[in-house]
Amino acid sequence: DAGVTQSPTHLIKTRGQQVTLRCSPKSGHDTVSWYQQALGQGPQFIFQYYEEEERQRGNFPDRFSGHQFPNYSSELNVNALWLGDSALYLCASSLAGSTEQFFGPGTRLTVL
Amino acid sequence: QKEVEQDPGPLSVPEGAIVSLNCTYSNSAFQYFMWYRQYSRKGPELLMYTYSSGNKEDGRFTAQVDKSSKYISLFIRDSQPSDSATYLCAMGRMEYGNKLVFGAGTILRVKS
Repeated sequence: DAGVTQSPTHLIKTRGQQVTLRCSPKSGHDTVSWYQQALGQGPQFIFQYYEEEERQRGNFPDRFSGHQFPNYSSELNVNALWLGDSALYLCASSLAGSTEQFFGPGTRLTVL
Repeated sequence: QKEVEQDPGPLSVPEGAIVSLNCTYSNSAFQYFMWYRQYSRKGPELLMYTYSSGNKEDGRFTAQVDKSSKYISLFIRDSQPSDSATYLCAMGRMEYGNKLVFGAGTILRVKS
């Protein structure tokens, strides 16, 4: 049973560019949440998708957007990248109504 | 003031020691509490979760929650070098579904 998978593993972009990160949830899970983890910090909640809609959003600007597909996989898009967006981006999956979240290995984004 | 406070450490202990990791929180509305372990450059791994005050034990790990003091702990018995990692506390509210609020994480080093 595959756990949560994310791609790519690493990504290097320059300021002003746009990036798309991808996540496949654990088998049977229908809810995907995205978190940003800066170096030396705990993960911060970006948003959550369920039934292809954004259900909750953390304190992140509109440059951060997402999408969920019918197969429950999800994308995180970040526009107009700046240096402060450099972080580990984590995807977590769960079943609707459950509080247990399972995290993927993350995508490490470096903005130069 | 952060909603969840966690001493970043590092905490260095000899192999076999009992480790105590702690978090305090300010929002009395938090209803469920989790501990995650994160190895370097990996995603967080769920260790323990609990919904109520009191103790919950799983193998060498014991999670303790004191809602009246807004204080949670994770105890690791017979610590091993393989326990060396960052330990993140996280908590949430049922009405906000899967949104987790994390502490900054405590770095633990177990010396052989």
